Amino acid sequence: DIQMTQSPSSLSASVGDRVTITCRASQSISNYLNWYQQKPGKAPRLLIYVASSLQSGVPSRFSGSGSGTEFILTISSLQPEDFATYYCQQSYSTPRTFGQGTKLEIK
Amino acid sequence: QVQLVESGGGLVKPGGSLRLSCAASGFTFNDYYMSWIRQAPGKGLEWVSYISGSGSTIFYADSVKGRFTISRDNAKNSLHLQMNSLRGGDTALYYCARGGGARGAFDIWGQGTMVTVSS
Repeated sequence: DIQMTQSPSSLSASVGDRVTITCRASQSISNYLNWYQQKPGKAPRLLIYVASSLQSGVPSRFSGSGSGTEFILTISSLQPEDFATYYCQQSYSTPRTFGQGTKLEIK
Repeated sequence: QVQLVESGGGLVKPGGSLRLSCAASGFTFNDYYMSWIRQAPGKGLEWVSYISGSGSTIFYADSVKGRFTISRDNAKNSLHLQMNSLRGGDTALYYCARGGGARGAFDIWGQGTMVTVSS
C-alpha cells in the first residue's frame, strides 16, 4: 500500500497569510494526487485533482504542485472560511489512501 | 443539482449486519465509478470500496474484504454497501462519493450516515 504523509499535522496562521501544506507519498504516484478540505461536521470537498488542477468553484487562492512523491497545497492569502482540515489522497493505485490530515487553525 | 444522499446507518451489535444505501441525482449515474469512504469519530478518512459504472470492477480495502459487499442499481441510481460481521473498528461515518476509480478523485460527497457497532 502507498503511505501518504502530510506535514505539518497542524498549523496556526492568520487571515492574509500564505500557507503551504506538504504531502509525501511512499513511492512515486506520478501526478495522481488530490486535495480535500473538510470543515467540522461537513463532508470533505475536492479542491485540487491530479496535483494541480483546480476543481470547479474552488477559489483561485488555492493551488497545487508537485509530482512523483512530493506535493504541495498552497493557499495564497488565507480567508476566514479556509480554517479547516486538509487531506491529500493518492489515486494512483488501490487501495486508495489518504494522508492523516492537516488542521489549519486561526492564530 | 448533483447530489448524493446516504441512509441506513444505525446502532448494531458486534457480529451484526447493516445495509447502507446512497441515492444519486443530477448526473448520469452509470457513467461514474462510485465509492464508500469512512471516517471514525475524530479520525481521518479511510477508503472502503469502489465499483465501476457497470459494476464489473470492484475493489475493497483489506480491512473490510470478505465482510462488506458493494453493489449498485443503475436503474434506480443507487449505491449500496452490505456490511456483515461488523466490529467495533467499523464504527464510523460512512460517506458515499462519486469517482475514485480509473485514477479519478472523489469529486462529489454525500453528507454521510453514521454506523455504530457496540453491545
